[in-house]
Order: sequence, then structure tokens, then C-alpha cells
Amino acid sequence: QKEVEQDPGPLSVPEGAIVSLNCTYSNSAFQYFMWYRQYSRKGPELLMYTYSSGNKEDGRFTAQVDKSSKYISLFIRDSQPSDSATYLCAMSAREETSGSRLTFGEGTQLTVNP
Amino acid sequence: NAGVTQTPKFRILKIGQSMTLQCAQDMNHNYMYWYRQDPGMGLKLIYYSVGAGITDKGEVPNGYNVSRSTTEDFPLRLELAAPSQTSVYFCASSYSGPKLFFGSGTQLSVL
Repeated sequence: QKEVEQDPGPLSVPEGAIVSLNCTYSNSAFQYFMWYRQYSRKGPELLMYTYSSGNKEDGRFTAQVDKSSKYISLFIRDSQPSDSATYLCAMSAREETSGSRLTFGEGTQLTVNP
Repeated sequence: NAGVTQTPKFRILKIGQSMTLQCAQDMNHNYMYWYRQDPGMGLKLIYYSVGAGITDKGEVPNGYNVSRSTTEDFPLRLELAAPSQTSVYFCASSYSGPKLFFGSGTQLSVL
């Protein structure tokens, strides 16, 4: 069993839709949860960073963590064509001084159609 | 404001050839990383460095070598290229913690 599972998609939605992207994990020690966005032929860039359970909002993006279910989500409201990208979840057991203990999901490919 | 710069962007190698993937960052980050990204497999850590002169293996180090003689540069060396090393390679750096800054990647094909 993979430590982090993420539905690879592809996911295609119309502009303006609410998008829900999800990851499940098996390691109960994970406490730090991230979402990276990766445009085609580019490197990933950090989108959201949360600690433990709860919600974090940044503009149209909301990251949600449910540690009891070992499930994290990224919601995108009023989705735009510019949101078309691959979204990777990542997590670590503690705030290491380096990022060497990050575990990434496979990534979900999202297309927002105008 | 270059960030993390990787060269080359594309490369085709023959089996058994060697090459070095270059990576440089101008953010004065101590931590640098090499990942490979294969379809459906996510990002896998190859090697990382916590500072000049210090490197360590990641999850998939076999077939690769690294060096870190300066804070800015972190080259990745493939000695005897194999088809299994066909992948997209990303270099990344960080100041502290898991907030990584990635380069644009090198797409490598070994034929």
C-alpha cells in the first residue's frame, strides 16, 4: 500500500465550478500537509501549507485536513482556466529542518474549460 | 530573480553514456534536492544536501551521484545511463522546512 494515495484523474470541469481534490494517507505520524501546483513542463510550486487538522483559506483556495480519517482536500472555488494544472499533495511527519522527509502523492491533472 | 535554474532542459542519451545535470540557485538556500518524476509515480527523492560538502541519499539513489562544493550548485551525475533512468528530473532548494522551490526540470530519455 502506498503511503499517500491520490486520484490521478484526469479531472475536467467547466469554468466557475467548485473543484475538490483529495489525498488519503496511511502514516498517522504525518502532521504537515502541503499542496503543490505544477503547470505543464514546469516545476511544482507551493500553493498551500497546513499543520494538523482544520481548514486554511487563501483566496479561492481552501485546504482541509481530517487527521481522524487520514484525508486531506483542496477546494478551488470559481475555478478558472488558469487553474488548469497538476495538483500534488505532500506531507511530512514533522517540520524537519530540511524537506527530505516529504512524501508526495501522484498528482491530479485538472483541466478547467472556458 | 532566477530562483532555481536547471540545464539542460532536454537530453537524449544512449545506454551506457554519462552526463551531468546542472542545478544552481541564487536564494542562498542551504538545502538542495534532486527528484525524479515518472508518470503515475509522483516525485521520488534521489539525493539531497543540507549544505556545502554534505550530501545524503534519498529514496532512489542507485545509478546517480551528487556533489555540493558550493552553496549555489548541486549537480547530479549519471555514470552509466540505463533506460530505467528515462524520467523528468527536478532540482529544488529550501531555506528551512518542507517549502521547496523547484526548477523547471530536465527531460531525459535513455535509448
